[in-house]
Amino acid sequence: DAKTTQPPSMDCAEGRAANLPCNHSTISGNEYVYWYRQIHSQGPQYIIHGLKNNETNEMASLIITEDRKSSTLILPHATLRDTAVYYCIVRVWFGSSNTGKLIFGQGTTLQVKP
Amino acid sequence: NAGVTQTPKFQVLKTGQSMTLQCAQDMNHEYMSWYRQDPGMGLRLIHYSVGAGITDQGEVPNGYNVSRSTTEDFPLRLLSAAPSQTSVYFCASSLRETQYFGPGTRLLVL
Repeated sequence: DAKTTQPPSMDCAEGRAANLPCNHSTISGNEYVYWYRQIHSQGPQYIIHGLKNNETNEMASLIITEDRKSSTLILPHATLRDTAVYYCIVRVWFGSSNTGKLIFGQGTTLQVKP
Repeated sequence: NAGVTQTPKFQVLKTGQSMTLQCAQDMNHEYMSWYRQDPGMGLRLIHYSVGAGITDQGEVPNGYNVSRSTTEDFPLRLLSAAPSQTSVYFCASSLRETQYFGPGTRLLVL
């Protein structure tokens, strides 16, 4: 699975959009980009994933560049409850790898401020 | 559904003691995993299972054993606890792309 690079920390004002970048320059054609977050030592929570098209769900949007070497997770209206560590993970499609494993890096600590 | 449950929530062990961390899921997921998380660090994969009777090692398997006799349960055994195993342990299960994590077990080895 490809390696990812994320900034160690970011701040965001409450109510504003939070844009979390992730570099994955060695990503392969069959690898997806996944985002999870961990709120204050709870178990990680799935947010969103994508292959090459932009994706949106009720939690966030995922923008993947055309060359797929980087992506951005967007929380459109950040709240204090969005303060967490956000992990960007690149791996092959779950069903094809048959391993079920996710490799977590250090992530980005997002601090949402009032 | 209870999702993924873990017991105990907190445990203190002495060096050399053994114990089993329990993990259960009621979502009929084939895939289950164990991670550990040390202070200020990301999660590291210990062992994982792709179904009953099938397990494999992750990034940091030494000192831990697992078995998967049923789809629902995936216990993690510490054979002889060491202070380096002081950590928070998370169990996860998944059906497809989404992994669901338990609340964690905090382990302190003295």
